[in-house]
Amino acid sequence: DAEITQSPRHKITETGRQVTLACHQTWNHNNMFWYRQDLGHGLRLIHYSYGVQDTNKGEVSDGYSVSRSNTEDLPLTLESAASSQTSVYFCASSYGLAGTDYNEQFFGPGTRLTVL
Amino acid sequence: LAKTTQPISMDSYEGQEVNITCSHNNIATNDYITWYQQFPSQGPRFIIQGYKTKVTNEVASLFIPADRKSSTLSLPRVSLSDTAVYYCLVGADTSGTYKYIFGTGTRLKVLA
Repeated sequence: DAEITQSPRHKITETGRQVTLACHQTWNHNNMFWYRQDLGHGLRLIHYSYGVQDTNKGEVSDGYSVSRSNTEDLPLTLESAASSQTSVYFCASSYGLAGTDYNEQFFGPGTRLTVL
Repeated sequence: LAKTTQPISMDSYEGQEVNITCSHNNIATNDYITWYQQFPSQGPRFIIQGYKTKVTNEVASLFIPADRKSSTLSLPRVSLSDTAVYYCLVGADTSGTYKYIFGTGTRLKVLA
């Protein structure tokens, strides 16, 4: 069965370190997304990609970067981790664009990141 | 961006129908309305999507009035396993710009 996976599931790091969170999907979806979820804020979009070599900033992109070298993967990098980036991170993918048929987003299980 | 407003929390009893209303007064012509469900320690899961009138699938119904300034997610005969957070999203991709925003959602608690 097709799926979307994230690794690691839990990560503890120190302020200033570079951290990369992996996201891998086998749906063959063109569209991929990264969100963070904090108490009281719901999910906030960090970056998204509509295909290979395409990346776009979301509403909370400062301090994060992504790259899309193939269809299956969209790694999220925290260039210099800060305590404010302690959060749960979710990756998602979809076949269609928002506002169209088949735009359902499939979410991964999440990565809990703690920055000390 | 269309802002959505939902109740912060709701309680219901098993077997009852639950209706969660979402307000989106500045919805745009091209915007769709989508609902997701999220259980603790899991990613959100798509429930239903609509543009106007009524949409029904195997788990829920979505009612959208003619002016589309609000929508109501209806869950028939809820069970304890429906305890979750429900998110209403409004938006559409316009010129390649993603415009769906998750709010803080409605926390539904189903009681025995």
